[in-house]
Amino acid sequence: GQNIDQPTEMTATEGAIVQINCTYQTSGFNGLFWYQQHAGEAPTFLSYNVLDGLEEKGRFSSFLSRSKGYSYLLLKELQMKDSASYLCAVRDMGAAGNKLTFGGGTRVLVKP
Amino acid sequence: EPEVTQTPSHQVTQMGQEVILRCVPISNHLYFYWYRQILGQKVEFLVSFYNNEISEKSEIFDDQFSVERPDGSNFTLKIRSTKLEDSAMYFCASRDGTGKEKLFFGSGTQLSVL
Repeated sequence: GQNIDQPTEMTATEGAIVQINCTYQTSGFNGLFWYQQHAGEAPTFLSYNVLDGLEEKGRFSSFLSRSKGYSYLLLKELQMKDSASYLCAVRDMGAAGNKLTFGGGTRVLVKP
Repeated sequence: EPEVTQTPSHQVTQMGQEVILRCVPISNHLYFYWYRQILGQKVEFLVSFYNNEISEKSEIFDDQFSVERPDGSNFTLKIRSTKLEDSAMYFCASRDGTGKEKLFFGSGTQLSVL
């Protein structure tokens, strides 16, 4: 099975930086994903890490440490539209389906 | 960018009725999934489908649930006899099986069981 933990909620100011941590335990790790989800909408892909280190994509970066079972998503130069839930998800190496298992999500509120 | 499309966007049904949720995955994708999200809770895996058969299913996906790919484009989720606790947003997703293999999600069907 898998266990994925991330904070429930975070608040930050427009223009600032926020770091969302995710810890996981899995029997067969095959990649970690971050998705953004606005209320009532589908999750949309943000980033993917399978090797240790930092992946940077514009204002968003994601870091992975497989030995620690730890990842973070860094959001820079926050904008009001970044207010959303951020979902950490781990891909299981198990069955052919390679499903993603999601954490509970971190709701980020960006204030002016 | 290509999209996964789902219909209907909202479905209201009476307890005990059958519902069919429809999805058209991205055309060159090979792996198909159903997830659900009860209001305020996390996105939960239901089932994965590859090569015309179920490759994995969760404990949520009991005998009341079934999936089908009746033709080359549609992927459906059927709930035979709905229960109140089936009320949720149901997301279809697909991936191509190459490269980063990220999941593309449809916009969801909000199912309300009364």
